[in-house]
Formats: sequence, structure tokens, C-alpha cells
Amino acid sequence: VQLVESGGGVVQPGGSLRLSCAASGFTFSRSGIHWVRQAPGKGLEWVTFIRSDGSDKKYADSVEGRVTISRDDSKNTVYLQMNSLRTEDTALYYCAKDLAEKAIDYWGQGTLVTVSS
Amino acid sequence: EIVLTQSPATLSLSPGERATLSCRASQSVNTYLAWYQQKPGQAPRLLIHDASNRATDIPARFSGSGSGTDFTLTISSLEPEDFAVYYCQQRSSWPKLTFGGGTKVEIK
Repeated sequence: VQLVESGGGVVQPGGSLRLSCAASGFTFSRSGIHWVRQAPGKGLEWVTFIRSDGSDKKYADSVEGRVTISRDDSKNTVYLQMNSLRTEDTALYYCAKDLAEKAIDYWGQGTLVTVSS
Repeated sequence: EIVLTQSPATLSLSPGERATLSCRASQSVNTYLAWYQQKPGQAPRLLIHDASNRATDIPARFSGSGSGTDFTLTISSLEPEDFAVYYCQQRSSWPKLTFGGGTKVEIK
């Protein structure tokens, strides 16, 4: 199983970024995918989830209305569109595979998003 | 929102000792609790799900217990590679997951 995030970078407050997560080594179309973030030196914060068929998407209150998750099963890729970014969104963003609605069993290595003027 | 409180924040132990980590939920999460290990510069790794079920390839020295609001992760005999930060996570409100603040297990 491999999850490879990309798209992170430095952006000014109010700006946008689109993160990508390329998956391999498992049946992507049958797997739900989470994004979890970790601010520098801090703990883990769940951000969003998309169900295997894309029918259900959930967001943390801290990002609701500013973030959109989507998936393209033809490319085995999940996307995270982030708008109206704030300094508190600065974090390492992990893409992670859902384990049958129990936990997260595989994580990518993360992509760093820095929101700064 | 369910809040998970982990204690202690830091645990200083020697290799070979037993480690006992606590995770307390602000309301019952049944047995919907997982534990992760994170080493510096690495992604978290799943250790335990559903309170007491070891994940694939996790050594038997790691065990989880508890239900309702009080949970424990026990490492029976610390190996050098076990010194890391440990997080608990609840899925009672799946898919909205919440994590505890973490316990750092450091070498004494």
C-alpha cells in the first residue's frame, strides 16, 4: 500500500491550494480516504473523509465551507481543495486509508502547507 | 464533541520496563478506540483498533484494553524502537475522528 501526497507549499492568507493523494497497492475504489493534519510540533487533527463511492463527505468544523474533498477512481487519486486559507491551517497534511470504518490503517508521508504572509 | 485526554503527557522509562498509557473519553465511546505510534519525521502507525485488536504485524508486547470512557495501552517490555509518541483516537462519531493529545514515551 502506498499513498503519496503532493501539492503543498507556501501560500498567503486567503489563498488556495489543491492537494493530491495518489494511491496504489490496494483496491482504491473500495476504500474510504481521510485527510489528517498535524501542525508543527502538535498533535493529529482529522480534517475530512470521503466514502469509497464518493457518496458521503464529512468535514471538521475548523475547515467546513473552506475545504472540498473529491476523488477520481480512474486515477486512483483523492484531492483536497483548500480555499480561504488561514495561518492556523499551517500543517503537514496526511492522506490516509480507512480501515473498514474502524481506524486508519495506512498513512502517506504528508505534504506541508504553510500559510504565511 | 467527544474529547480524549491522554495521560501522562510524558513517560520516562528504561528499555525492558513496562509502559502503561491512559486515554480517557469525555463520554462513552464503547470500544471504538484505536492507538497509533508516531516516531519523529514519520507518519503514524496503527497499533490497536477496537480497543484491544492488534493491527497487522504489530508485536504481541503491545496490548490494549478498556471500554466506555477509560482505555489503556500497555507495552509489556519496552524495546529501543518503542520510544515514540502514542495517540489514541475514537470513532464513535465516524467518520469524524478525534485524537487525544498524545503521550511521549522517552528513554529515562
